[in-house]
Amino acid sequence: QQQVKQSPQSLIVQKGGISIINCAYENTAFDYFPWYQQFPGKGPALLIAIRPDVSEKKEGRFTISFNKSAKQFSLHIMDSQPGDSATYFCAAISGGSNYKLTFGKGTLLTVNP
Amino acid sequence: GAGVSQTPSNKVTEKGKYVELRCDPISGHTALYWYRQSLGQGPEFLIYFQGTGAADDSGLPNDRFFAVRPEGSVSTLKIQRTERGDSAVYLCASSSRTSGRDTQYFGPGTRLTVL
Repeated sequence: QQQVKQSPQSLIVQKGGISIINCAYENTAFDYFPWYQQFPGKGPALLIAIRPDVSEKKEGRFTISFNKSAKQFSLHIMDSQPGDSATYFCAAISGGSNYKLTFGKGTLLTVNP
Repeated sequence: GAGVSQTPSNKVTEKGKYVELRCDPISGHTALYWYRQSLGQGPEFLIYFQGTGAADDSGLPNDRFFAVRPEGSVSTLKIQRTERGDSAVYLCASSSRTSGRDTQYFGPGTRLTVL
């Protein structure tokens, strides 16, 4: 059973455009939601994270929107750049085992120049 | 400072062989994690160490998989009687404390191919 569902599987955006990646979860015990960025041949790196008591968090060009009632959250990348081309993973952690990251399947983002 | 390092970067083995994958965490990090990433999938949790002890090994798929961290720093993931289905990238991560809210820093992974 996939606990964190991520879409789309792949995304192509023009430079300067907005990239939007969506995730949904079922486990209401999840209480921390990080996003990871992974370049080919590298391990995932933390990009930005949010707790469910906040509806939005912004860091630079990256924004997480969180809808607790719908159990959905999304990553928005504003002014997308070719250097943003990577695979993005949403993830979740539950308070009961607050070390175990549960990842979505990932979204391969390509930003064309 | 240095990040998490993993060796080897690539490992090709034959079905039925034994392999060891090594992880050197960030110096001073007490928590260490192993994940497995299959092609086209997100990483899946395998095991978590706090210090020398395995605090949670619930993600290990079966008893062919075993991991140790004898001195609370370097960890080795051991796979016996490898199967083709074990082919994946094995990722190691470390963090400074036990809280999941502390950033887990990932290494580049070891790509294991079982022929």
